[in-house]
Amino acid sequence: SYVLTQSPSVSVAPGKTATITCGGNTIGTRSVHWYRQRPGQAPVVVIYYDSGRPSGIPERFSGSNSGNTATLTISRVEAGDEGDYYCQVWDVPSEHVVFGGGTKLTVL
Amino acid sequence: EVQLVESGGGLVQPGGSLRLSCAVSGFIFSDHYMDWVRQAPGKGLEWVGRTRNKANSYITEYAASVKGRFTISREASKNSLYLQMNSLKTEDTAVYYCARSESVTGHMDVWGKGTTVTVSS
Repeated sequence: SYVLTQSPSVSVAPGKTATITCGGNTIGTRSVHWYRQRPGQAPVVVIYYDSGRPSGIPERFSGSNSGNTATLTISRVEAGDEGDYYCQVWDVPSEHVVFGGGTKLTVL
Repeated sequence: EVQLVESGGGLVQPGGSLRLSCAVSGFIFSDHYMDWVRQAPGKGLEWVGRTRNKANSYITEYAASVKGRFTISREASKNSLYLQMNSLKTEDTAVYYCARSESVTGHMDVWGKGTTVTVSS
């Protein structure tokens, strides 16, 4: 089955840029979605189809996807950006949704 | 307002059964793919399964970890999604979320708040 690999944690100072990656075999050929989950809350999509941004998500959030790595970039990080971030794809061969293991973003 | 509200969680013994419900409002239920996603305590998100939309015959797919034990269904007249869970194991303990999917490859754009299932003797 298809596997998505994320680093367990990323720490960044306020105002700096956070980069969260999601690795997968030829992930660049798939559509990647990113979710943020705050403690005790349901996930919320922050990037869809690699780089689309839902209404209400700041322009500071951006995404890219190429080769074997998809990337979520958060510019000018704020304390409110803290949470767990998950990448997700649809795996055509298995017809399964696949989530990455999640990355905990800590704002120092 | 688009809304998903889960219910039916609780404490159940290993080997038991439970049916979760997800009440849908604010959109045309039959037009959308619907997913169940769970999260064990302190763990990440795990996809449980999906029902496709009416145009795709409401076909269902399941994660290997629940296939043969869990069944997803819909009741259009009640705008409700269900997850029937049988032969429950302690490792099924989790918060269960229902979510609306934008399309087969799309993102989950609306989520419920979740309902907690605890499998323990």
